[in-house]
Amino acid sequence: AQTVTQSQPEMSVQEAETVTLSCTYDTSESDYYLFWYKQPPSRQMILVIRQEAYKQQNATENRFSVNFQKAAKSFSLKISDSQLGDAAMYFCAYRSANNDMRFGAGTRLTVKP
Amino acid sequence: GAVVSQHPSRVICKSGTSVKIECRSLDFQATTMFWYRQFPKQSLMLMATSNEGSKATYEQGVEKDKFLINHASLTLSTLTVTSAHPEDSSFYICSARDGPGQSVFGNGTRLTVT
Repeated sequence: AQTVTQSQPEMSVQEAETVTLSCTYDTSESDYYLFWYKQPPSRQMILVIRQEAYKQQNATENRFSVNFQKAAKSFSLKISDSQLGDAAMYFCAYRSANNDMRFGAGTRLTVKP
Repeated sequence: GAVVSQHPSRVICKSGTSVKIECRSLDFQATTMFWYRQFPKQSLMLMATSNEGSKATYEQGVEKDKFLINHASLTLSTLTVTSAHPEDSSFYICSARDGPGQSVFGNGTRLTVT
């Protein structure tokens, strides 16, 4: 079974600075998707960024980018120019070919003004 | 963009009663939907995969007779928590796949069993 590991329960960043959230996963599949979701206190799941495993190029979405290392099964999220509104729980997720999604334990990001 | 509507957003029920939660894909068809459960300060745990026109597939440890799933149409899946107990109090959230590589989540249902 696929597993997703987020080893940082909490992270803190100064406003306007850069922070990287770590994620590793375990799978025997070659075709899959990886995601980062943001969950604010409202508990709505907001897609931040996604990566197709077959693509070597790292996904980028404005201030959010990933470092996808397929061989190492690593998928970290970099948030540049952090804003107060970035404060939330961040979940790394893996989606397999049969479409079910597995989540990591989450990282609570605090942004200090 | 694609929207998944989940209803109700909050529900309080008495122990021993049943509660139904609906998950609707508003502008797309979803042959497969997923139900998750999230306890406070924890991650989302997949409970079951809901398949239109067939039986749901439950994850290990999830009681299928307690958490009844019905996916009668391409736009609606329901989760019924039967004979609810206080330990069933949790946040339940559904998702549906909208195209390749894209999952859309409902806004979740906070269930409190008294």
